[in-house]
Amino acid sequence: NAGVTQTPKFQVLKTGQSMTLQCAQDMNHEYMSWYRQDPGMGLRLIHYSVGAGITDQGEVPNGYNVSRSTTEDFPLRLLSAAPSQTSVYFCASSYSNINYGYTFGSGTRLTVV
Amino acid sequence: SQKIEQNSEALNIQEGKTATLTCNYTNYSPAYLQWYRQDPGRGPVFLLLIRENEKEKRKERLKVTFDTTLKQSLFHITASQPADSATYLCAPKIFSGGYNKLIFGAGTRLAVHP
Repeated sequence: NAGVTQTPKFQVLKTGQSMTLQCAQDMNHEYMSWYRQDPGMGLRLIHYSVGAGITDQGEVPNGYNVSRSTTEDFPLRLLSAAPSQTSVYFCASSYSNINYGYTFGSGTRLTVV
Repeated sequence: SQKIEQNSEALNIQEGKTATLTCNYTNYSPAYLQWYRQDPGRGPVFLLLIRENEKEKRKERLKVTFDTTLKQSLFHITASQPADSATYLCAPKIFSGGYNKLIFGAGTRLAVHP
């Protein structure tokens, strides 16, 4: 039981490049979400999904796309990277978005130059 | 606007003492609130969930209170140990846009000294 797996752990992008951050969980969790964490700020919700085929925007969705074709995978796509997207990205999953704690991945540290 | 406030300054305490961390929120009416621990370079780890009707929840050396009138949660670690040193995040669960969402505070860093 690996929990929540995020890849890559580190990435450097040039402005304007696109990439996909991968997130996979093996706990059969319905609820998955993506957060970014910047110094001095709380984790901010980017996008979330309450089940396969259902996604919605969080607090800071601009510049990011998601899809949820399977229960296990929830990739985050950066369409055209900008320096403002330099951050640490965390994927989280939960059995339900009600009454359960979240399991987080170990994060992806992204630098956009 | 909606806001979650946690002490931005680090809390330094002596080993064996009780650490108390504060989480205040405004303009939310969360049905419940969660606390997480985060170590440097790692993802947050879920510790406790407390519902609005529970007032207090305990787990081993941890205790959480939830005062919906004061809009405040307190997180206590009794008999603290250096291994408890970490950043602790408060996260009320709010209902918005038809779904429940977890909104995080910036966290308070706790340092327990031998």
